[in-house]
Amino acid sequence: EVVLVESGGGLVKPGGSLRLSCAASGFIFSNYNMNWVRQAPGKGLEWVSYISSTSRYIHYRDSVKGRFTISRDNAKNSLYLQMDSLRAEDTAVYYCARDYQIVAAVYDSWGQGTLVTVSS
Amino acid sequence: EIVMTQSPATLSVSPGERATLSCRASQSVGSNLAWYQQKPGQAPRLLIYGASTRATGFPARFSGSGSGTEFTLTISSLQSEDFAVYYCQQYYNWPPGTFGQGTKVENK
Repeated sequence: EVVLVESGGGLVKPGGSLRLSCAASGFIFSNYNMNWVRQAPGKGLEWVSYISSTSRYIHYRDSVKGRFTISRDNAKNSLYLQMDSLRAEDTAVYYCARDYQIVAAVYDSWGQGTLVTVSS
Repeated sequence: EIVMTQSPATLSVSPGERATLSCRASQSVGSNLAWYQQKPGQAPRLLIYGASTRATGFPARFSGSGSGTEFTLTISSLQSEDFAVYYCQQYYNWPPGTFGQGTKVENK
């Protein structure tokens, strides 16, 4: 069974930093591209960042470029999101999501999410 | 960035009835369209990809159709477990793969 478990969320002041983690199990993590997708309270889904299986390719949405850094450690079956210079508009539940191997940029497995609240 | 627009925002349907949800893209996305189901307090689940291919675990009462800019998700006979929010997502022009704002299917 594919399991993705996020952690690291919490309350942080504007301008602060957080590091999210996603622990993966039940599949060969190193074979899959991974993503972070977020959902502001009561709102829709928004893709945040992508990292290829070998970390060769990385993408960010424009609003987080230069502030967020995605990374992974295939030896530890883990995905990370370093979030710096946080803004109120970054408040959301952050999900790690696995890329579907058959169709890129479709997310076939999701974690339960971790809530990030940016507020003074 | 391709904008995805879903309608209606809320759909009130009785169990056993047919539900039809729409998704429109601001430009053609071919068949590069996915649907996700999200229940309260849960993560989204992949429901449909390639506009019409059902993902593992979803019954045949769910069907997707369309191409280009107009897409439809149909639930042929709504069951109680189908009440949820449904999101469409284009992955033709990526990054970013953009989502619609969602359609909530509620019990009438």
